[in-house]
Amino acid sequence: GQNIDQPTEMTATEGAIVQINCTYQTSGFNGLFWYQQHAGEAPTFLSYNVLDGLEEKGRFSSFLSRSKGYSYLLLKELQMKDSASYLCAVRSNQAGTALIFGKGTTLSVSS
Amino acid sequence: DTGVSQDPRHKITKRGQNVTFRCDPISEHNRLYWYRQTLGQGPEFLTYFQNEAQLEKSRLLSDRFSAERPKGSFSTLEIQRTEQGDSAMYLCASSTGTGVEQYFGPGTRLTVT
Repeated sequence: GQNIDQPTEMTATEGAIVQINCTYQTSGFNGLFWYQQHAGEAPTFLSYNVLDGLEEKGRFSSFLSRSKGYSYLLLKELQMKDSASYLCAVRSNQAGTALIFGKGTTLSVSS
Repeated sequence: DTGVSQDPRHKITKRGQNVTFRCDPISEHNRLYWYRQTLGQGPEFLTYFQNEAQLEKSRLLSDRFSAERPKGSFSTLEIQRTEQGDSAMYLCASSTGTGVEQYFGPGTRLTVT
């Protein structure tokens, strides 16, 4: 079957660094995505990994290990506006088809 | 605004009624996706179009659900004989043929009473 696991909730303080983990078991693999979703809004794209290693984009970085079925999203210099749900998603088939999402990790950033 | 748009944003209906939602993707995007999201869950895939062809449908999608994209532009999602369990946010997303990122619309929130 298809399974994506990530913690339900995390808390952190402004200026800190937080790592959100994601493990997956899918029938195929063609990329891992991280999306950010503020309450009541649509998900917005953060990052994409298809090869092992770290992808850095400003304050956000994402890591992938395909052999371990594992990814993490690293958020640095946390700001209050980073309080949101972070969704890990896997594309299991060839490019263009559906994403399988985890339940999301709700991150609360306090001052 | 040139993003993905959805209409209506909110819909309240009584159990047993039919509802139809519309999605207008980003104009140059030939791929269109429908997802459903309930509280505390991630989006769940429903169906996918490439141009006007419906190429993939979730096995979880009941026969009461049907989607169309007649001219390869906008898409409609119809739910017949709605049930309380259909209450959810219905999200539409689009992407280019070679693009990685799916761009999501604001969603249609359906409440079935």
